[in-house]
Amino acid sequence: QTVVTQEPSLTVSPGGTVTLTCASSTGAVTSGYYPNWFQQKPGQAPRALIYSTNNKHSWTPARFSGSLLGGKAALTLSAVQPEDEAEYYCLLLYGGIWVFGGGTKLTVL
Amino acid sequence: EVQLVESGGGLVQPGGSLRLSCAASGFTFSNYWMSWVRQAPGKGLEWLANIKEDEGEKYYVDSVKGRFTISKDNTKNSMYLQMNGLRAEDTAVYYCVRNFDYWGQGALVTVSS
Repeated sequence: QTVVTQEPSLTVSPGGTVTLTCASSTGAVTSGYYPNWFQQKPGQAPRALIYSTNNKHSWTPARFSGSLLGGKAALTLSAVQPEDEAEYYCLLLYGGIWVFGGGTKLTVL
Repeated sequence: EVQLVESGGGLVQPGGSLRLSCAASGFTFSNYWMSWVRQAPGKGLEWLANIKEDEGEKYYVDSVKGRFTISKDNTKNSMYLQMNGLRAEDTAVYYCVRNFDYWGQGALVTVSS
């Protein structure tokens, strides 16, 4: 069974920079896994942030960026704002089957 | 404006069936892959199934394969999820998702006696 692993929780100060990662139990994550990133706040539906590793949607703030880092997919938040406090999920493609990571709870403190 | 509206959720007994619908508007429905994603109370997201633009391909997560069936009707701009043999662990909010960019607000399914 394929497992996608994210940091359970991270804390960042307002104005700081933080990187969330997304690892695959099958090995290094590449662009062929089409990494997606989503933000979810309590009581709301998820909101798409990044698709295909590093592509932003029209509504994605410029401070969010996606990349591949050390064999993992990564989401970097720069100049973090208080409203960025949320749960973040990555999503990877495995030959037609998509698998979400367990999520990272980001606290802005 | 893209809109995805789920309906058909509710309370069902273990072993029962339910059919979720997703009404799409604001885009050319026949041009997009569509997915169902669920979230159990207090838990993370779980991708369940997706369907190609023309229904030519469908994929399922192992936990629902053989119990759930995804379908879409491009003439009605709608997607469906037929859920049979429901279990307590299927209790969740079920989201209709377009190509992983737009999400509906979700429909709550509760499986309990």
